This record gives sequence, structure tokens and C-alpha cells, in this order.
Amino acid sequence: KQEVTQIPAALSVPEGENLVLNCSFTDSAIYNLQWFRQDPGKGLTSLLLIQSSQREQTSGRLNASLDKSSGRSTLYIAASQPGDSATYLCAVRGEVGANSKLTFGKGITLSVRP
Amino acid sequence: ETGVTQSPTHLIKTRGQQVTLRCSSQSGHNTVSWYQQALGQGPQFIFQYYREEENGRGNFPPRFSGLQFPNYSSELNVNALELDDSALYLCASSLKTGSGEKLFFGSGTQLSVL
Repeated sequence: KQEVTQIPAALSVPEGENLVLNCSFTDSAIYNLQWFRQDPGKGLTSLLLIQSSQREQTSGRLNASLDKSSGRSTLYIAASQPGDSATYLCAVRGEVGANSKLTFGKGITLSVRP
Repeated sequence: ETGVTQSPTHLIKTRGQQVTLRCSSQSGHNTVSWYQQALGQGPQFIFQYYREEENGRGNFPPRFSGLQFPNYSSELNVNALELDDSALYLCASSLKTGSGEKLFFGSGTQLSVL
């Protein structure tokens, strides 16, 4: 059974700091890994999608890496801003087709102080 | 904007009642999945529909059921509501892209069971 862990549960940093959010998963047989952002009481916004054959993806100030063999992914946020304050969720997807689903971590709640 | 719309946004029910939640996704998104997110937790997979047939289910009892329609809309029905059913219910539709199959989430329905 796939399990996804995100530690710590919460993080507070001053504006402008570069930071890394960690995600680990127990079963390396994944199809892809996705990072999401969630604002309080809202749905999920996809940030980055990494296929199992890829090592990293970049979008603006965000960079996500994937080390499938060790069951780890990181989300790097450069020059953090107060608008980055949200919960960041990591999710891995199993086999394509029937029974494919996302398994989520509990998320990391990030607070960026002005 | 993900192109996935959920209704209603908020709902209050009492224990034992039945509820229907609705989701509308973009044309061409032929796979829809539903997730339950309790407060402070990551979303948990309920089930997935592909071309109007259920083709994957998480660890949820049969009183959670669903439908998918040819117009890419879908429903989540929950019978005999329990207090623990209080959660944010998220609908996600899938689209195959050049970089893989990506999930797009709606903003969710916040269900409170009293």
C-alpha cells in the first residue's frame, strides 16, 4: 500500500527566503508525481507534474525534483513571497488505466512572513 | 481556472440524510474521480469513473456511490450520512497531455453533517 509523507506539517519563513519542501513515498512503482497548492477551504491547484521517467520540472520560481529509486521528491520555491502562503500537497499516481489513483500526503502549511 | 465546476459549494445536512454532489468537467475529460478531504488531512480517493463505468474504488462503503454522464458531468451520492462524512469533497477530471495524464480539480463542496 502506497504511503506518502510530508514533514514538517507546517513551516514559517521570512519573505525572500529560498525553501525546500520534502515528500517521501514508500512504493517506487509510480506513474507520476504531482505537487499541488491548496488555499484554505479551496480546491487543489496543480503546480508541477513529473513523470516517473523525469528527474525534475520547473515553472517560474518553482522547481520540483524526483528521485524515484529513493522514494523522494522536493519542491523548491525561490525568493518566497507572502502570496506563496498556502498548503502544499504532494501526490503520487499508481498505474495508468483501471484503478489508477492519486495518493496524497497530508500537506505542508507554509506561511511566508512579510 | 481548471475547467472543473462543483456544486453546491457548501451544504449542511443532518445525520441519516442523503446527499448528491455534482461535478462538471471539460469536454474530452473522460475520466472523473472523487476525493474526500477531512480537515487537516490529504484527500482520500473514493472512486473513479471512466466512460460512465466505475473502474476503481478506494476504502469507502457502498453508501458512497456515483454516476458519470455522457456530457462529462458526474455525481457523488452519499446515503445514510454520518457525522464523520463531514469533509471537503473534491472532483477531479483527467486529460492526457504530451507530458502525461494530469488531474484538474474543482474547488470542492464543503459538506457539514450535524
